[in-house]
Amino acid sequence: DAGVIQSPRHEVTEMGQEVTLRCKPISGHNSLFWYRQTMMRGLELLIYFNNNVPIDDSGMPEDRFSAKMPNASFSTLKIQPSEPRDSAVYFCASTSLGYGYTFGSGTRLTVV
Amino acid sequence: QKEVEQNSGPLSVPEGAIASLNCTYSDRGSQSFFWYRQYSGKSPELIMSIYSNGDKEDGRFTAQLNKASQYVSLLIRDSQPSDSATYLCAVFQFYFGTGTSLTVIP
Repeated sequence: DAGVIQSPRHEVTEMGQEVTLRCKPISGHNSLFWYRQTMMRGLELLIYFNNNVPIDDSGMPEDRFSAKMPNASFSTLKIQPSEPRDSAVYFCASTSLGYGYTFGSGTRLTVV
Repeated sequence: QKEVEQNSGPLSVPEGAIASLNCTYSDRGSQSFFWYRQYSGKSPELIMSIYSNGDKEDGRFTAQLNKASQYVSLLIRDSQPSDSATYLCAVFQFYFGTGTSLTVIP
């Protein structure tokens, strides 16, 4: 198994641009999570899906952030418009609910 | 969000010693607890899970859970320089502490 696959690994964009982060979970895992990690705030849960359905998006900072999971093997996190304070590492993780996560390698986002 | 507290460290121990990492949590209803290791620039990696009061051992790692006191700890025996990393405590899968940085000195 290739694990959780995220793309891109690094993204540098200008303020105001749209950013799309992608994630392919492990086959057979029914839950997918998006996290943001910064030095100041640690790992913050943004949103999670169970069986492709968004269950809790209370961690999404504001309307600029949106996430979709159109099928069991793909999810996106979109930021539009991006701002410098969105700079962070964004992790996708998958699991079967109740068990620990497998994290992807992350996307390091820099908004200038 | 649920509160999960960890000492940020840094915690330094000599090679071969026992490293003790602690975590407290606020939600008494929490049922599942996890420890992750994160090397600098890498993603977190699950190393232990514990669901019942008491100790759970896996090689050099022992997780300890006390639900009455709302704490969970991780002991690393015979610490190695390769154990130097940040250790993250997670409660009910979702909620992470900010991590404790561990350095094992050769």
